[in-house]
Amino acid sequence: KAGVTQTPRYLIKTRGQQVTLSCSPISGHRSVSWYQQTPGQGLQFLFEYFSETQRNKGNFPGRFSGRQFSNSRSEMNVSTLELGDSALYLCASSPTGGGMNEQFFGPGTRLTVL
Amino acid sequence: AQSVTQLGSHVSVSEGALVLLRCNYSSSVPPYLFWYVQYPNQGLQLLLKYTSAATLVKGINGFEAEFKKSETSFHLTKPSAHMSDAAEYFCAVTDSGGYQKVTFGTGTKLQVIP
Repeated sequence: KAGVTQTPRYLIKTRGQQVTLSCSPISGHRSVSWYQQTPGQGLQFLFEYFSETQRNKGNFPGRFSGRQFSNSRSEMNVSTLELGDSALYLCASSPTGGGMNEQFFGPGTRLTVL
Repeated sequence: AQSVTQLGSHVSVSEGALVLLRCNYSSSVPPYLFWYVQYPNQGLQLLLKYTSAATLVKGINGFEAEFKKSETSFHLTKPSAHMSDAAEYFCAVTDSGGYQKVTFGTGTKLQVIP
């Protein structure tokens, strides 16, 4: 099976712009989670989608949003970019979500905001 | 609310020496606990997980972890470090009743000295 893929791998944007990141989960996985990873804050949970519905949300401002399509592919969008949004954004999938399930991570999208 | 504390953001060991990475958790309900590893420029990969079946959990690459409820700990060990173990290690917790809302520790970077 192909792993989790994320596109693009690298992005450079300027403050005030918006960005859309894409994640394709492992085939058959219906749960997709997004994380922000920074050296200072570590891994922080953004949100989780299951069957096109947001099931869980972390403590991020409304500028961060996401969606999931019927084929389980997911996108996250960040509007009005700030310098502090520079981070590695990781997507993870699992068959159904749920506490005991392992998550399978993609390689991430490295976002740099200038 | 659940939380994870990893003691030591950087740990150095000599090749062949014992690896011990510490993780303490707090959870209001019986937890599921995970250790993930992240190699440079890659996503996270599962090392092992505790789901209440056995307190001593064996994972990949010779790693194991012991769940100690009385100490609320889930420390990761490996008897003999190898150069290829150099990476960042993350402890994570979810609660048994919830969806895939995972709380990660801040990570421990392991350096292996030849």
